[in-house]
Parts: sequence; C-alpha cells; structure tokens
Amino acid sequence: DIQMTQSPSTLSASVGDRVTITCRASQTINRWLAWYQQKPGKAPKLLMYAASTLQSGVPSRFSGSGFGTEFSLTISSLQPDDFATYYCQQYNDHAGSTFGQGTKLEIK
Amino acid sequence: EVQLLESGGNLVQPGGSLRLSCAASGFTFSSYVMTWVRQAPGMGLEWVSTILSSGDSTHYADSVKGRFTISRDNSKNMLFLQMNNLRDEDTAVYYCAKDQYSGTIGDAFDIWGQGTVVTVSS
Repeated sequence: DIQMTQSPSTLSASVGDRVTITCRASQTINRWLAWYQQKPGKAPKLLMYAASTLQSGVPSRFSGSGFGTEFSLTISSLQPDDFATYYCQQYNDHAGSTFGQGTKLEIK
Repeated sequence: EVQLLESGGNLVQPGGSLRLSCAASGFTFSSYVMTWVRQAPGMGLEWVSTILSSGDSTHYADSVKGRFTISRDNSKNMLFLQMNNLRDEDTAVYYCAKDQYSGTIGDAFDIWGQGTVVTVSS
C-alpha cells in the first residue's frame, strides 16, 4: 500500500500569511495527487488534482506543485475562510486510494 | 445539480449489520467509478471501497475486506455498502464520493455526499 505523510499536522498562521503544506508518498505516484479542504461537520471539498490543477471555482491563491513522491499545497495570502483541515490523497493506485493524516490550519 | 445523498447510518451493536445507501442525481451515474470513504470521530479520511462503473470490479481496504460489500444499481442511480460483523472501530461518518471523470479508473473525488453516521456500540 502507498502511504501518504503530511506535514505539519497543525499550522498556526494569520490572515494574509503565505503557508505551505507538504505531502510525501512512500513510492512514486507520478502526478496523481489531490488536495481537499474540510471544515468541521462538512464533507471534504476538492481543491486541486493532478498535483497542480486547480479545481473549478477554487480561488487562485491556492496552488499545488510536485511530482513523484514530494508534493506541496500553497496558499499565497490566507483568508478567514481558509482556516480548515487539508488532506492530500494519492490516486495512482487504482486498487485503493490513500489519504494523508491531515493538516489543521489554525488562526494564530 | 450534481448531488449525492447518503442514508442508512444508525447505532448498531458489535457483530451487527447495516446497509448504507447513496442516491446519485445530476450526472450519468452508470459512467462513473464510485467510492466509500469514512472518517472516525476526530480522525482523518480513510478510503473504504471502490466499485467500477459497470459494477463488475470492486476493491476494499484491508480493514473491511471480507466484512463489507460494495454494490451499485445503475438502473436506479444507487450505490450501496453492506456492512457485516461490525466492530467498534467501524464507527465513523461514511461518505460516498464520485470520481472526477467518466470512463477512467483512478481519479480524484470531485463530488461528495454529506455523510451518514454509523455508530457501533453495545
């Protein structure tokens, strides 16, 4: 099974900050990585797919990069609505997807 | 509007069974791979099971293999998860999710339901 490791687990930041979350795969997944945002009591929302392609309707302050085993999600200027938990997901393994453990983005 | 609506969650005793349903609307259900994902209280997301668009191929996480069965009825735009021999650690919110693209295997999940709560406790 492909393991996904996110860091940090928790991130404290202020409105206007630039923040980056990283995700590492235990083996190469090419560019088959997605990022999701989840708010308390809500379903996850797809932000990014194929490592760096922004899902329709997602603000351009979100960007993604990476290939192979190392990936990152960057928010260029944090807005109040961005404080949430973020998950990476590999979908290279067609027999089973896996998620990272999540990064909780908190207000400093 | 593309929508997924889960139902069937409940309180069940260890060893019991439950069948979850997911009603799909707003898209050609029969063309898409569908997946169940769960989230235990205060924890992260865990992939549970995936079924291909025709229903003839399924995949399961090791944690549920042999106990859970995913199925679909394309004529009724419905996805199911039959859960048997439930354990305390199966307690979670269960989401159904749709693959982003039709006709492919292995995609991000672009549409999620609101989730249904399964509690396994005596």
